[in-house]
Amino acid sequence: QSALTQPPSASGSPGQSVTISCTGTSSDVGGYNYVSWYQQHPGKVPKLMIYEVTKRPSGVPDRISGSKSGNTASLTVSGLQAEDEAEYYCSSYAGNNNFVFGTGTKVTVL
Amino acid sequence: EVQLVESGGGLVQPGGSLRLSCAASGFTFSSHWMHWVRQGPGKGLVWVSRIKTDGSKIGYADSVKGRFTISRDNAKNTLYLQMSSLRDDDTGVYYCTREYGGSSDYWGQGALVTVSS
Repeated sequence: QSALTQPPSASGSPGQSVTISCTGTSSDVGGYNYVSWYQQHPGKVPKLMIYEVTKRPSGVPDRISGSKSGNTASLTVSGLQAEDEAEYYCSSYAGNNNFVFGTGTKVTVL
Repeated sequence: EVQLVESGGGLVQPGGSLRLSCAASGFTFSSHWMHWVRQGPGKGLVWVSRIKTDGSKIGYADSVKGRFTISRDNAKNTLYLQMSSLRDDDTGVYYCTREYGGSSDYWGQGALVTVSS
């Protein structure tokens, strides 16, 4: 049950796009379409942004998107806004009723 | 409105025990798998445990297996986490979450557990 690997940080200017990777193995990310992404602002509760690799919950803007290729999932935030500055975590089902989170990525809006 | 309210957190000595509760409302509790997720101070999210709708299937992170027990009472709409043999690195905020599509779509505000002598 090793944590999924995310880059520690990512940044972009307002209006630009930023993409965050989430690398696992064939036993988690690569084996199931149950990858989800969460946004967490400092001192706040995490918020679901993407589930089942590509689906957006109601209320999440369509400039947020998810994808997966092999053992790596990605989250793209387009049209960066100041409110997007936060920590982002991926998560995946890992079989046998187990889940695993990523190491987290701090997104900075320059 | 979906609400998840954790309780039972506090200060406990290493080796001690604590039981967290999560009161659910605003949805059909018995229809959802439920999770516990924790976050150490200044650290990332760590998945702890998951329980099926009727309690028949359960999963634990390796770091808590044999020490923590997840359970639920669907008649009381309540999720539990019994924690024993607590260690310093169990310190953190423990979140109760509702599962939807393999994700946690609703989160409680969290219960702070501090393991220290």
